[in-house]
Amino acid sequence: EAGVAQSPRYKIIEKRQSVAFWCNPISGHATLYWYQQILGQGPKLLIQFQNNGVVDDSQLPKDRFSAERLKGVDSTLKIQPAKLEDSAVYLCASSLSYDKTQYFGPGTRLLVL
Amino acid sequence: GESVGLHLPTLSVQEGDNSIINCAYSNSASDYFIWYKQESGKGPQFIIDIRSNMDKRQGQRVTVLLNKTVKHLSLQIAATQPGDSAVYFCAENIRGTALIFGKGTTLSVSS
Repeated sequence: EAGVAQSPRYKIIEKRQSVAFWCNPISGHATLYWYQQILGQGPKLLIQFQNNGVVDDSQLPKDRFSAERLKGVDSTLKIQPAKLEDSAVYLCASSLSYDKTQYFGPGTRLLVL
Repeated sequence: GESVGLHLPTLSVQEGDNSIINCAYSNSASDYFIWYKQESGKGPQFIIDIRSNMDKRQGQRVTVLLNKTVKHLSLQIAATQPGDSAVYFCAENIRGTALIFGKGTTLSVSS
């Protein structure tokens, strides 16, 4: 069974630029999550989708971050404009449903200069 | 507030020893707990989970113990191998809401 796929794996941008990350969850997984992991810390949830609907986006900085999962499968996370403090690993995870085990992708490492 | 913490940021063991990684949680309403392993440059990898109606669960070389009385979770790794070197996170989940991760314990295994 293929795991969660993410791209790109690495991205370097300058502050105030925009960036987008892509995630393809495990086939059949209805729930998709985006996490931000700052160096030395545990992942922190940014947004949770159930199919193509948002379940929890309470910790998403909505003035600069946006995410969508239009067809209930793939998802994109966008940052516009990026700030220095957005430098982190952005992890995508998926699960069969909201109360099942979450499986993580390899992450996208973002460096904002 | 809700939080999950780990007792030690680092743990160093010899190959073949048993490792015990501890985690304390603060919310008695938490009903699901997971241990993840994260190797450098990779995403967290599921190791084992336990629900609040259990106090012990075993996997291959790993055992998770849950003590709800003192709100403590531990991960035991038997016969630790160099490939077990990684950062270990515990996470809690309260009634299907977002997973809350602790800061992690770095396990170093020397041969």
